[in-house]
Amino acid sequence: DARVTQTPRHKVTEMGQEVTMRCQPILGHNTVFWYRQTMMQGLELLAYFRNRAPLDDSGMPKDRFSAEMPDATLATLKIQPSEPRDSAVYFCASSGVVDTQYFGPGTRLTVL
Amino acid sequence: GNSVTQMEGPVTLSEEAFLTINCTYTATGYPSLFWYVQYPGEGLQLLLKATKADDKGSNKGFEATYRKETTSFHLEKGSVQVSDSAVYFCALGTLETSGSRLTFGEGTQLTVNP
Repeated sequence: DARVTQTPRHKVTEMGQEVTMRCQPILGHNTVFWYRQTMMQGLELLAYFRNRAPLDDSGMPKDRFSAEMPDATLATLKIQPSEPRDSAVYFCASSGVVDTQYFGPGTRLTVL
Repeated sequence: GNSVTQMEGPVTLSEEAFLTINCTYTATGYPSLFWYVQYPGEGLQLLLKATKADDKGSNKGFEATYRKETTSFHLEKGSVQVSDSAVYFCALGTLETSGSRLTFGEGTQLTVNP
């Protein structure tokens, strides 16, 4: 049963620290999405990639967030420096040739 | 542009009650329509989908019919269980114009009491 995996599942850090979240998409999927979910804002699309190339990162605060796909099996989302307002659950999702997205379990980030 | 409007929650029902969560959409092109479910502490899971007008998606007792004339994709279940308590998201995708990017509704919180 192919699944999207995310690490870490939980992260508590202090303001100003760097945070790196990782995602392994389903093997063979060529599109990867990063979302952020909060109670106030709901589900927000931060960025997405196709064939490892960024297609849209307009949802991401550019000054502190960066997203990359070093290879087809790994996507990363970094926050540097982190701030308390970044506290949220971050989801990765992947899709193949059709438009169904498959979500990972999320990384719950708390910035103190 | 694409947009999805969902019935506002929260929705609270007793076990075995009938469920309807309304979803309407605006889209360019010929969208596919989805319902995703998010259980507490988990990621979104695909519940069902429909790819063309008059298609009915179904899974785990849930159903939704793609109605092009009313631009709707309402989610229904005849008899809900406590285990159905979750947040439900309606979404659309237009593969030919947006690739596999989806537009999500705001989500509807469902609580089922025993």
